[in-house]
Amino acid sequence: EPEVTQTPSHQVTQMGQEVILRCVPISNHLYFYWYRQILGQKVEFLVSFYNNEISEKSEIFDDQFSVERPDGSNFTLKIRSTKLEDSAMYFCASTGGYGLTGELFFGEGSRLTVL
Amino acid sequence: RKEVEQDPGPFNVPEGATVAFNCTYSNSASQSFFWYRQDCRKEPKLLMSVYSSGNEDGRFTAQLNRASQYISLLIRDSKLSDSATYLCVVRNSGNTPLVFGKGTRLSVIA
Repeated sequence: EPEVTQTPSHQVTQMGQEVILRCVPISNHLYFYWYRQILGQKVEFLVSFYNNEISEKSEIFDDQFSVERPDGSNFTLKIRSTKLEDSAMYFCASTGGYGLTGELFFGEGSRLTVL
Repeated sequence: RKEVEQDPGPFNVPEGATVAFNCTYSNSASQSFFWYRQDCRKEPKLLMSVYSSGNEDGRFTAQLNRASQYISLLIRDSKLSDSATYLCVVRNSGNTPLVFGKGTRLSVIA
């Protein structure tokens, strides 16, 4: 069964360092998302990406964050200068369906720990 | 007011029990509704979509009341493997982002 894959599974970094989280969405999917979940909190939307551009972003997704689809398969989330509060599980998701019933498939997540 | 609110939990039930989770959403324009399941430190996985007329998938039944902006999930004959956090999820339109509730934790005990 096709799946969304994410790397790394866990990254520990120092505050102020740059981090890149990588995702390979399901190959024929067109819509890509990043969500995050701080431990014990709800899953929160960060950004959606379609047709090689950001289609929507939340207030969490400030100038420290960026996304890129560099080569047609990878979908990356970059945090330029990490803060302690960026510690969370980051989930990549993709869907091929358009409209209300398109199921979102999530990757297993990348756990980011900022020290 | 939070966009999606759920029963706080945790729910601790014996095997074989029937358990119901409730959820309310604040945006009356919301158009699609889902229940996701999340195991500890894992990704959310779609359990079932929720349709206006209500729908059933095996031991799971979902109901939607648009007038009250209320969604429910009923699990019959609980299994140990049902232990997880159940997330109520709403989408407003098209491919707008999913909005998640905080989840309700279920522990099924032998």
